[in-house]
Amino acid sequence: DGGITQSPKYLFRKEGQNVTLSCEQNLNHDAMYWYRQDPGQGLRLIYYSQIVNDFQKGDIAEGYSVSREKKESFPLTVTSAQKNPTAFYLCASMDRGYTGELFFGEGSRLTVL
Amino acid sequence: QKEVEQDPGPLSVPEGAIVSLNCTYSNSAFQYFMWYRQYSRKGPELLMYTYSSGNKEDGRFTAQVDKSSKYISLFIRDSQPSDSATYLCAMSTGGANSKLTFGKGITLSVRP
Repeated sequence: DGGITQSPKYLFRKEGQNVTLSCEQNLNHDAMYWYRQDPGQGLRLIYYSQIVNDFQKGDIAEGYSVSREKKESFPLTVTSAQKNPTAFYLCASMDRGYTGELFFGEGSRLTVL
Repeated sequence: QKEVEQDPGPLSVPEGAIVSLNCTYSNSAFQYFMWYRQYSRKGPELLMYTYSSGNKEDGRFTAQVDKSSKYISLFIRDSQPSDSATYLCAMSTGGANSKLTFGKGITLSVRP
């Protein structure tokens, strides 16, 4: 089945540690996105990538980093510089032919202890 | 003014009720309008997709876009407990490099 796989589903981290969230898609989509979701805040765009080896900052990129070495993979690193990292993180992809439809993964919930 | 405003909710209705969910927007360049449904602890999924103005119906769901008023709506007829979820409106200008702009979402609870 085609889709987006995020891992881990739940993650706990101590303050000061970096953590990497995995996102893999087998939909052959060019564009991939990372969103952060907080209660009452909706979805906020962290980073996005339209093509391999290229990515752009979204609205809240500070304290995060990404890479796009393969079309299928778009990992997100939450660094110790992110002041409030506890959140629900969603990865998504879209066909560059642009239907406007984002396909989302199941999300990763990060809790900083 | 935020680009997309969505009624904050939460909203609780009895089973069988007609539900109306609404969003307003300020960017007149938006052409693609979507509603996503998100169940608790899951990723959002596309529910309805509309290009430009007009209505679109899919079973119990109707999406309405009024570009002149910069207003979109989602109507749910004969609401069911399984419709209990968070509903997010989203819109974009279109084109290969455009991004979706989301409303904050409204949580709907349908009481049996």
